[in-house]
Formats: sequence, structure tokens, C-alpha cells
Amino acid sequence: DGGITQSPKYLFRKEGQNVTLSCEQNLNHDAMYWYRQDPGQGLRLIYYSQIVNDFQKGDIAEGYSVSREKKESFPLTVTSAQKNPTAFYLCASSIEPRGTEAFFGQGTRLTVV
Amino acid sequence: AQKVTQAQTEISVVEKEDVTLDCVYETRDTTYYLFWYKQPPSGELVFLIRRNSFDEQNEISGRYSWNFQKSTSSFNFTITASQVVDSAVYFCALSPLLSNDYKLSFGAGTTVTVRA
Repeated sequence: DGGITQSPKYLFRKEGQNVTLSCEQNLNHDAMYWYRQDPGQGLRLIYYSQIVNDFQKGDIAEGYSVSREKKESFPLTVTSAQKNPTAFYLCASSIEPRGTEAFFGQGTRLTVV
Repeated sequence: AQKVTQAQTEISVVEKEDVTLDCVYETRDTTYYLFWYKQPPSGELVFLIRRNSFDEQNEISGRYSWNFQKSTSSFNFTITASQVVDSAVYFCALSPLLSNDYKLSFGAGTTVTVRA
């Protein structure tokens, strides 16, 4: 089955620790995205990538980092510089970066204690 | 820059009632795509529809219908004869096609609760 896999589904970390969220897709999509969802605020774009070895900051990139070394993988690291990291994180991909529908993973709920 | 506004935070209806979700957008681009997504309690967003800015025909898919009015920058979504399974958060989104700022931008979402 083709799709997007995010792991883990639930993640707990202590304050001050970096944590990496995994996102893998087997849809052969060029574009990949990371969104953060907080209650009542919709989805906010963290980073996006049009193609391998290329990525751009979204609206709320501070405190996050990404890499795109392989077409199918787009991991997100939440660093200790992120002031309020507890949130629901969604990864998505699309065939092309412009105008095509995005397909989403099931999300990772990160709780920092 | 673009913006998507979903003014309705929550809507609660009784099963079989119709429900209309409003979406108003802002963009400087003349060419763009609009989307609707459904987020059930499981969390994964499900794509419902994509519409480009040149196609103002309304669309119907089963109990779902969409009304795109470019003159008022609106792309509203109606669920006819709602069912409990329609309970979810619904998001409207916009993606400019030609601008350098082409990212997919979402509204805040509308939570729909359908009561049996």
C-alpha cells in the first residue's frame, strides 16, 4: 500500500532535549511538508521541500530543523530552542509542490514535560 | 501572501440536517487552487476536493457539494443529509500556482458534530 508513514504516533520528551520525528513516503512524490497543529489554530507550515537536498522555511520554522537526503524521507527535528514544542505534527507529500493535493500521514503527538 | 479564513469554529447539527461550511480566502495570485480536507478523530487529513481558480462550476459528489464564487473569494462546502460519520474537523486550503510563495495554506478549521 502506498502512503505516508509517521512514527511514532505518540512521543514524550523531557524539556531541553532534541527529538526527531520520522516521515517516510512511498508515493514517489517530489514535495514533502511538515505542519504543526494546535487547537483552534489550524495547520501551520514548518518546513517544506520541493526536491531532494532542498528545503525552505515555512511560517514557523524557528526551533525546528529538517533534512531531505532521500526522496522518500523528510525527518523533522524539534530542538530545545523551540519554546512550546508540545503539539500534533503532521507530515504530508504531493506529486508536485504547486497546486496538487497533499496526502497526509497519521501524525505524531509530541508532549514535552 | 495568502490567507484562508474559516469563521465558523464549531457547528453542531442533528443527523439528516444539512450543514454548510464557509471558507473565504485572500491571495494576490490570479491562478490558484483551493482544497477541502476532512480530519476525523484519528487525526489523518483526508483530501476531499481540489478546484482551480478558472473553474467556477459548482461540484457535487454524493452528499457533498461545493460552491466556488470568485467574485466573493469564497469556496463553501455543504454536507447534505448529514450523518454521524461526518463528524470531523474540516479544513479549507489555498495554494497559489504561479507565485514564489506557493505553499499550501490552511484555514483554522471548522469542527462539525453530527448528533444522532
